Amino acid sequence: DTGVSQDPRHKITKRGQNVTFRCDPISEHNRLYWYRQTLGQGPEFLTYFQNEAQLEKSRLLSDRFSAERPKGSFSTLEIQRTEQGDSAMYLCASSSPLLGNTEAFFGQGTRLTVV
Amino acid sequence: AQKVTQAQTEISVVEKEDVTLDCVYETRDTTYYLFWYKQPPSGELVFLIRRNSFDEQNEISGRYSWNFQKSTSSFNFTITASQVVDSAVYFCALSEWRGGSNYKLTFGKGTLLTVNP
Repeated sequence: DTGVSQDPRHKITKRGQNVTFRCDPISEHNRLYWYRQTLGQGPEFLTYFQNEAQLEKSRLLSDRFSAERPKGSFSTLEIQRTEQGDSAMYLCASSSPLLGNTEAFFGQGTRLTVV
Repeated sequence: AQKVTQAQTEISVVEKEDVTLDCVYETRDTTYYLFWYKQPPSGELVFLIRRNSFDEQNEISGRYSWNFQKSTSSFNFTITASQVVDSAVYFCALSEWRGGSNYKLTFGKGTLLTVNP
């Protein structure tokens, strides 16, 4: 297990299309986070899961966004009816209770471009 | 509300110079963690250090050192004898503490460090 894995790394889509991203956390990590990073900004929290339960959603997460973690392992983030403002890097992170959830390990991100 | 301010947007130095990246934070929590992450052009956030709110000891790791001062709500990061490979965007982040553990991070806007040969 080499770390948090995100797929795809890059996605170009036309405005109005739906897209889905996948995140595979580090094995045994019970927490999984999604962040969004726009150009020149730091990552912003979107949502997080503890096992399969989605415990918090940011107000940044509009109704067009939905995240799931059905079996408490991998997670998906879907954006419906994409808009140009959705263009960003979507970062996934996971953390372990064995480390007191004190450190989040990040994946390499999925860069979304909406044209 | 949590807030992290990195006032330096970009810094450019010549190799072997020392450089300090500033970070100021705001929180009402008494328990929290502070972090520094490095983001190279590949995009992945690389963890550098964490410090909890009860540990104000400065830390040195090789060419990196961190100065945490609760009195000024600052957590500054110094790279000694910078190298070209240090070129990246550096983020300071603050975690909230809920239910006995950390959870979401609040990041600053980052400082782009360019080390020229």
